[in-house]
Amino acid sequence: EAAVTQSPRNKVTVTGGNVTLSCRQTNSHNYMYWYRQDTGHGLRLIHYSYGAGNLQIGDVPDGYKATRTTQEDFFLLLELASPSQTSLYFCASSDQGQTTEVFFGKGTRLTVV
Amino acid sequence: AQSVTQPDARVTVSEGASLQLRCKYSYSGTPYLFWYVQYPRQGLQLLLKYYSGDPVVQGVNGFEAEFIKSNSSFHLRKASVHWSDSAVYFCAVSAGQGTGSKLSFGKGAKLTVSP
Repeated sequence: EAAVTQSPRNKVTVTGGNVTLSCRQTNSHNYMYWYRQDTGHGLRLIHYSYGAGNLQIGDVPDGYKATRTTQEDFFLLLELASPSQTSLYFCASSDQGQTTEVFFGKGTRLTVV
Repeated sequence: AQSVTQPDARVTVSEGASLQLRCKYSYSGTPYLFWYVQYPRQGLQLLLKYYSGDPVVQGVNGFEAEFIKSNSSFHLRKASVHWSDSAVYFCAVSAGQGTGSKLSFGKGAKLTVSP
C-alpha cells in the first residue's frame, strides 16, 4: 500500500529557531507536496515538486523553503520560525499531478513559542 | 482559478440517519472533483472522485456523491451513518494537467454522529 511517512510527528521550537520537517514516500510517485492545515482555512499548499531537484511554489510559500533530494524525500525548512507558522503540516504524494489521487502522511504538529 | 465552498462547517446527525454534506465549486471548465476524509490524528484519505461519465459516483463505506454541472455542486451523501463516520470531510477540485494541475480544498465539514 502507498505510504507517506513524516517525521517528527510533533515539534516545539522557539521563535527564530530553525526547523526541518521530513517526508519520505515509498509510492514511486513523481509529485510531492507540503500543505499546512489551520482551522478555518482547510489545507493550503506551501510548496510542491514533480521530481528530484525540482521545486514549485504553492499558494502560501512565504517563510518556507523546501528541497526534494531524491524521488522519495522531500523536506520543508523553516529558517526563522514565527508563531504564525504554528500549524499542522501534511506531506503528500501523487502519481501524475493533482488530478489524480493524493496520498497523505499523518501530519506533523509544529508549535512555535 | 478554481475555488471550493463547503457551507456547513459542523454537522451533527444521529446514528442511522441520512447525511448530506454540501460542496459547491467555482471553475469555468470541467473539473476533477474529490471528497477526502480525515479521521482523528490521521492524514486525509480519498473517499471518492469524479472525472467524467455517470454523475453519481460511489465511494468507500457506502458514501456517494453527485456531480450537478448546472449547479456547480458535488454533494456527498450517505443513506445511514455510523458512529465511525465521525470525521472531517473535505471537498476538493482540481483542474489543469500534469505540472500545471492544482488541487484546491474547501475548509472542511466536521461530522459528529451522535448515538
